[in-house]
Amino acid sequence: AQSVTQLGSHVSVSEGALVLLRCNYSSSVPPYLFWYVQYPNQGLQLLLKYTSAATLVKGINGFEAEFKKSETSFHLTKPSAHMSDAAEYFCAVGTFSGGYNKLIFGAGTRLAVHP
Amino acid sequence: DAGVTQSPTHLIKTRGQQVTLRCSPKSGHDTVSWYQQALGQGPQFIFQYYEEEERQRGNFPDRFSGHQFPNYSSELNVNALLLGDSALYLCASSKGTINTEAFFGQGTRLTVV
Repeated sequence: AQSVTQLGSHVSVSEGALVLLRCNYSSSVPPYLFWYVQYPNQGLQLLLKYTSAATLVKGINGFEAEFKKSETSFHLTKPSAHMSDAAEYFCAVGTFSGGYNKLIFGAGTRLAVHP
Repeated sequence: DAGVTQSPTHLIKTRGQQVTLRCSPKSGHDTVSWYQQALGQGPQFIFQYYEEEERQRGNFPDRFSGHQFPNYSSELNVNALLLGDSALYLCASSKGTINTEAFFGQGTRLTVV
């Protein structure tokens, strides 16, 4: 069965500092991996996705993630945090069953950015 | 493009009541999935509809049911509401059943009292 583990339910960084949000997955087949962001009282917005092409994936708002098969990881990074990056971030793995897909999400990491 | 729209945005129900949530998918999308997001947790897959049929289902009781209409819009129905059903219900749409890139609506916040 596929699963996702996000290490650290809360991460706090200073404005301008590196953002690193950790995600490890479990999958018996090559995975499709996603990072979504959720702002307060809103739905989920796709930041980036990995679909077995380049291992370094660039997304919106300056975020990127690197797929490391040997470590079963898909960590999200941003070189310089902005106040507007404060939100909840979810890592997800896409699964297929009988030709139909669904997403399995991690528990989320709340990112706080302080001046 | 209006994206995925859900209604209502908030509602409050009493234990034992029934509720219907609605979702209109993004233009060009034909697959709708529903997720439940309890406070402080990640979204959990409820079920997925394609061609007006439920195609797969998560670990949710039969009190949770749904429907998809010919215009691809969808409803989520929950019967005999429990306090534990209080959550944000998210609708996601995609093109076809293989494409895993899902677009989410803003959600419906259900509070059961």
